[in-house]
Amino acid sequence: QQQVKQSPQSLIVQKGGISIINCAYENTAFDYFPWYQQFPGKGPALLIAIRPDVSEKKEGRFTISFNKSAKQFSLHIMDSQPGDSATYFCAARLRTYKYIFGTGTRLKVLA
Amino acid sequence: GAGVSQTPSNKVTEKGKYVELRCDPISGHTALYWYRQSLGQGPEFLIYFQGTGAADDSGLPNDRFFAVRPEGSVSTLKIQRTERGDSAVYLCASSPDHGRNTEAFFGQGTRLTVV
Repeated sequence: QQQVKQSPQSLIVQKGGISIINCAYENTAFDYFPWYQQFPGKGPALLIAIRPDVSEKKEGRFTISFNKSAKQFSLHIMDSQPGDSATYFCAARLRTYKYIFGTGTRLKVLA
Repeated sequence: GAGVSQTPSNKVTEKGKYVELRCDPISGHTALYWYRQSLGQGPEFLIYFQGTGAADDSGLPNDRFFAVRPEGSVSTLKIQRTERGDSAVYLCASSPDHGRNTEAFFGQGTRLTVV
């Protein structure tokens, strides 16, 4: 019940296209849903995050859509760029401190 | 530097040896976390400190793993009798405090290889 399921495992998008990554969860006690971006050899870096009382959050080219009733949330990257090529992790936080991560999506944006 | 600092960045050790991994959190952050990331996987929770005390160590895989944070700042993750299955990237993160609106900042990790 603490799992966060992430899809797809890998994604190839043309430059300028939209990248969409989906996550689903079961535990309604999760209180915060961040997305992390990770480059090879680096630690995860917070990209954007949302609380469950908000349905959408946009920061620049990055948007989180959150569907509380379906227990699903997604990351949309608009106008994808080659520099966006990285591994993306969704996460859900439990009890204000315990982050449960998805398995990651390896995004490749073709120039 | 302003970020979470982890040392060493890489550690190769022989099976059965003892290792210590160090984490320097962002100055002033009271919450500190250790995670383990295996190849191709997301980070998995190991332990959470609030100040000097381990508030939740439920993610430590067994009693060979132990972590301390004696002065509420630097933390050390200790692994005894290392096994090849312990090979992974060990990530440390810190946040200003636990709570609804705080975010966790991760270090670059220590890549541990047990041969």
